[in-house]
Amino acid sequence: EAGVAQSPRYKIIEKRQSVAFWCNPISGHATLYWYQQILGQGPKLLIQFQNNGVVDDSQLPKDRFSAERLKGVDSTLKIQPAKLEDSAVYLCASSSPRDGVFFGPGTRLTVL
Amino acid sequence: DQQVKQNSPSLSVQEGRISILNCDYTNSMFDYFLWYKKYPAEGPTFLISISSIKDKNEDGRFTVFLNKSAKHLSLHIVPSQPGDSAVYFCAASVDNAGNMLTFGGGTRLMVKP
Repeated sequence: EAGVAQSPRYKIIEKRQSVAFWCNPISGHATLYWYQQILGQGPKLLIQFQNNGVVDDSQLPKDRFSAERLKGVDSTLKIQPAKLEDSAVYLCASSSPRDGVFFGPGTRLTVL
Repeated sequence: DQQVKQNSPSLSVQEGRISILNCDYTNSMFDYFLWYKKYPAEGPTFLISISSIKDKNEDGRFTVFLNKSAKHLSLHIVPSQPGDSAVYFCAASVDNAGNMLTFGGGTRLMVKP
């Protein structure tokens, strides 16, 4: 069974630039999550989707971060404009009641 | 305000001995607790979980203990193996569906041969 796919795996940008990450969840998983993991800390939930609807985005910095899950499958997370403190690993995860939560390998973002 | 804390950033254990990783939480609404293991350049992988109605759950070499009154849980690995070397995250949720997991900061376990 294929896992959660994310791309790109690594991205380096300068501050004030824009960046987008892509996630393809496990087939059949209705719930999709984006987490931010800053070095030395645990993952922090940014946004949770149920199909193409947002369940929780209370910790998403909406002035610069946006996410969408059109058609309830793939999702993109965008940062515009990026700040130095956005340097982190961005983890996508998907889940179903039967399978539990599975994480992708993450995208490591470095903002210079 | 950190609702889930892992106070030991690292732990070193000899192969064959027991590894004990600890986790404390503050939110009494948490009802489900999980441990994840993370290798470098990979996403966290699920290890073991426990519901708040239990105080112990065992899966092979891994056992999780929950003390609700102390808001404390621990993961025991016996015997420890070099392949167990990784970062371990404790996580908590208000339900068992994986919704809105709150993670601790992680403990890096090193198992020496």
